[in-house]
Amino acid sequence: AQSVAQPEDQVNVAEGNPLTVKCTYSVSGNPYLFWYVQYPNRGLQFLLKYITGDNLVKGSYGFEAEFNKSQTSFHLKKPSALVSDSALYFCAVRDNGGSQGNLIFGKGTKLSVKP
Amino acid sequence: DAGVTQSPTHLIKTRGQQVTLRCSPKSGHDTVSWYQQALGQGPQFIFQYYEEEERQRGNFPDRFSGHQFPNYSSELNVNALLLGDSALYLCASSPGQGAGELFFGEGSRLTVL
Repeated sequence: AQSVAQPEDQVNVAEGNPLTVKCTYSVSGNPYLFWYVQYPNRGLQFLLKYITGDNLVKGSYGFEAEFNKSQTSFHLKKPSALVSDSALYFCAVRDNGGSQGNLIFGKGTKLSVKP
Repeated sequence: DAGVTQSPTHLIKTRGQQVTLRCSPKSGHDTVSWYQQALGQGPQFIFQYYEEEERQRGNFPDRFSGHQFPNYSSELNVNALLLGDSALYLCASSPGQGAGELFFGEGSRLTVL
């Protein structure tokens, strides 16, 4: 069965510093990977996805993610964090190892960016 | 262009009651999925509707049912509410059942007392 792990419950970063939010996955077949962000009492906003192609994926708000097949990871990164990036971040993978499965989400990582 | 809209935003029910949540997908989208997000957890897939039929279902009991209308909007119904059904219910839409991202609504916060 497909699964996603976010090993950190919380990540603390100073404003202006680079940030990394970790995600590892387990799939049978080709991975379809996604990152979403959730602000308090709001729905999920799409940041970026990896389906095929370049291992470095660029997304919204300056975020990017690196797909590493050998390490089965898809870490979210940003070169310079903003206080407004503070939110809950979810990594997700499509179920069934294919293109039409539902999304399976990790438990989320709370990002806190301090001024 | 309106995104995914859900109603109501908040509601309170008591155990044993029934609830109906509604969702209108993003313009141009014909596939609707429902997720349950308990406090402090990631969203859990409930089911997906496409062409007015349930296409996929997660590990949820039959108390959870749904419907999709010809205009692609959808309803989630939960019968015999339990305290554990308290959660944020998220609707997501997509164009077809392809590999792309889902677009989520703001959710309906259900509290069961």
